[in-house]
Amino acid sequence: GQQVMQIPQYQHVQEGEDFTTYCNSSTTLSNIQWYKQRPGGHPVFLIQLVKSGEVKKQKRLTFQFGEAKKNSSLHITATQTTDVGTYFCARGSNYKLTFGKGTLLTVNP
Amino acid sequence: DGGITQSPKYLFRKEGQNVTLSCEQNLNHDAMYWYRQDPGQGLRLIYYSQIVNDFQKGDIAEGYSVSREKKESFPLTVTSAQKNPTAFYLCASSIDSQETQYFGPGTRLLVL
Repeated sequence: GQQVMQIPQYQHVQEGEDFTTYCNSSTTLSNIQWYKQRPGGHPVFLIQLVKSGEVKKQKRLTFQFGEAKKNSSLHITATQTTDVGTYFCARGSNYKLTFGKGTLLTVNP
Repeated sequence: DGGITQSPKYLFRKEGQNVTLSCEQNLNHDAMYWYRQDPGQGLRLIYYSQIVNDFQKGDIAEGYSVSREKKESFPLTVTSAQKNPTAFYLCASSIDSQETQYFGPGTRLLVL
């Protein structure tokens, strides 16, 4: 199937440390979306990447789309306790999204 | 106040009973989706609908049924055929099936 693999599954950091989660596919992605789900909450859209090599920034968050459009990453600089949650990537194809299993980020204050 | 609403927030069901989860949106979105979330499993697609009066099975449709009689509503029925229904159910909608999805707050279903 057209799955996306996310690594790591879990990441615990000290507040102020950086964090990166990776999303990989064996096939070319037409686009990739990133969502964040706070504990007990629902997924919230963060960003969509479409172009090869695209880099987008949202404050301390940096999103990249690989040159071959087979991988993507989300990097958080200087994590804060408000960054806690699960980060999902999702690929769009066949009129639907397929989500990765997510990376759960916990931050020690 | 626009958005997606799901009700109830928590739902308890006895084994062997069917139960229907509500999902309503006033965003004028054409596409709607139902996902199931289990710990460590991410989001798995149950059913989706690209337009009113049309819907397709997702990856785990067995034991579930849906209807899309109105653009605003996409109710999900968890039938007694679903052997492991305890989970967090999320409804989402998007302008069309290629775009960003907006999620409702979810319904936690517990089978007693």
